[in-house]
Amino acid sequence: AQSVSQHNHHVILSEAASLELGCNYSYGGTVNLFWYVQYPGQHLQLLLKYFSGDPLVKGIKGFEAEFIKSKFSFNLRKPSVQWSDTAEYFCAVKRSNFGNEKLTFGTGTRLTIIP
Amino acid sequence: DSGVTQTPKHLITATGQRVTLRCSPRSGDLSVYWYQQSLDQGLQFLIQYYNGEERAKGNILERFSAQQFPDLHSELNLSSLELGDSALYFCASSVDHEQFFGPGTRLTVL
Repeated sequence: AQSVSQHNHHVILSEAASLELGCNYSYGGTVNLFWYVQYPGQHLQLLLKYFSGDPLVKGIKGFEAEFIKSKFSFNLRKPSVQWSDTAEYFCAVKRSNFGNEKLTFGTGTRLTIIP
Repeated sequence: DSGVTQTPKHLITATGQRVTLRCSPRSGDLSVYWYQQSLDQGLQFLIQYYNGEERAKGNILERFSAQQFPDLHSELNLSSLELGDSALYFCASSVDHEQFFGPGTRLTVL
């Protein structure tokens, strides 16, 4: 079974700082990878996804992630964070051979941006 | 707005009771997934239905059950509720590789 690790549980940054949130997964086969964001009191929203091709994926709101197959990693980055990025961020993985397949989520990283 | 709707938004009930959570997927999506989000367990997959049939089971307790109806809406039934069942229950739907999440139902068991 696949699993996802997010080692940063709570990250606190000042506005305009650069962000990198770690995500590592364990699964021997081909995977689809996702980053979701959950703003306070809201549902999960997709930030970006990787299926195949260019390992550098750009998402909404200036976020990007890089898939490094050799490291089983899919880290989320943003060059300059804003106060409105305060939220919880979840990395998720799905086996890519199956179109309709459950997501396995990491434990989430709480991001707090200080104005 | 993801197009996935869930009712009710909040539910407060007592231990031992039974509740039903409802989910309507996006138009055309055949798959419905249920997830539980709690402070101690994080986001856990419970169960998946595809076009009315159970497709996959995750960490779903025997006290919980679900079904998907011909109009593709789904219900999650939670019975003999315990304090530890207090959580946010999300439904998601997908037609292929991407899942869209509903706003969730916050269940509080007192």
